[in-house]
Amino acid sequence: DAGVTQSPTHLIKTRGQHVTLRCSPISGHKSVSWYQQVLGQGPQFIFQYYEKEERGRGNFPDRFSARQFPNYSSELNVNALLLGDSALYLCASSLKQANTGELFFGEGSRLTVL
Amino acid sequence: SQQGEEDPQALSIQEGENATMNCSYKTSINNLQWYRQNSGRGLVHLILIRSNEREKHSGRLRVTLDTSKKSSSLLITASRAADTASYFCATDRNDYKLSFGAGTTVTVRA
Repeated sequence: DAGVTQSPTHLIKTRGQHVTLRCSPISGHKSVSWYQQVLGQGPQFIFQYYEKEERGRGNFPDRFSARQFPNYSSELNVNALLLGDSALYLCASSLKQANTGELFFGEGSRLTVL
Repeated sequence: SQQGEEDPQALSIQEGENATMNCSYKTSINNLQWYRQNSGRGLVHLILIRSNEREKHSGRLRVTLDTSKKSSSLLITASRAADTASYFCATDRNDYKLSFGAGTTVTVRA
């Protein structure tokens, strides 16, 4: 069975640009979460979507936005990129909205902002 | 802000030895989970322990949870080179997210 897939795996942008990251959850999973992991730190929660609605948002500026599509795939958008946005962006899917079980993570999209 | 804090930050052991790492957290939780990450790749779920459980085993892994001290430990027995990775604890407060610590980097020397 296919796991969580993310694209692109690596990308380089310059300050002020915009980026879109994509995620396909495991088949049957209706919840998708996004996390940012800066080098040397643990993942930080950005968003959770369940049944196409935003259910939770972390402490990130409005430059960060996301959406979930009818097929439960998701996009994370970041506008006006800053150097500090350089990180590994992880997508995770789960069966339920609440985290009463494990999250299944993709391999991540590594964003470098120059 | 991060809910959990792992200790130590880094650990180097010989193959065959046991590795123990600890996690402390600040608020009450629904469950606590441990994840492994190899070289900046995706996280892999290892084990989940609920707030009403004190100890759990899975293969070579043993997790304990002390809710009175707000702490957990992960023990990896008979370590192998393939166990070289970063290990993260994550707390679930019955909301929509997991709160991760900064992780423990484990190096297993052959």
